[in-house]
Amino acid sequence: AQSVSQHNHHVILSEAASLELGCNYSYGGTVNLFWYVQYPGQHLQLLLKYFSGDPLVKGIKGFEAEFIKSKFSFNLRKPSVQWSDTAEYFCAVSRAGNMLTFGGGTRLMVKP
Amino acid sequence: GAGVSQSPRYKVTKRGQDVALRCDPISGHVSLYWYRQALGQGPEFLTYFNYEAQQDKSGLPNDRFSAERPEGSISTLTIQRTEQRDSAMYRCASSLDMDEAFFGQGTRLTVV
Repeated sequence: AQSVSQHNHHVILSEAASLELGCNYSYGGTVNLFWYVQYPGQHLQLLLKYFSGDPLVKGIKGFEAEFIKSKFSFNLRKPSVQWSDTAEYFCAVSRAGNMLTFGGGTRLMVKP
Repeated sequence: GAGVSQSPRYKVTKRGQDVALRCDPISGHVSLYWYRQALGQGPEFLTYFNYEAQQDKSGLPNDRFSAERPEGSISTLTIQRTEQRDSAMYRCASSLDMDEAFFGQGTRLTVV
């Protein structure tokens, strides 16, 4: 069975700091990789996804993620966070379609 | 509607009662997914449909849980004889095909 690990449960940053959230998965075959975000009081939204091709994926709101196959990792990055990035972030993988296996989530708080 | 709609948003029920959670997907979306999210954890896959056909129900925890989508649109997740451990956020998502899944706001179920 596949699993997803997000190493940081809570992250606190000041505005303009750089962000990197770790995500590792365990599955030896081909996977699709996703990052979802949940802003306070809102539903889960897709930030970015990787299916194939360039391992550096750019998503909405200045986020990007890099797929490193040898490390089974798909870390999320943003060079300069804003207060509005305060949210919970979920990494997810799927073998097909949207039958997603999610990580436990990382709560990000950005201090103004 | 514009997005995935779930009702009720909040449900409090007594142990032993049956509950039915409703999901109205984005019009025209073929696939519909149910997830459950316990407090402090990521969403966990329960089941999914393509049109009216239930394609995978491997995530349903036991036979008290069932789901249907009789006309290929609205879906109902039913939990019989609820237990306190069933308390969670139940999330529905829909997608046009294998692409991005759009999530609803979720139903917060509390079993007392």
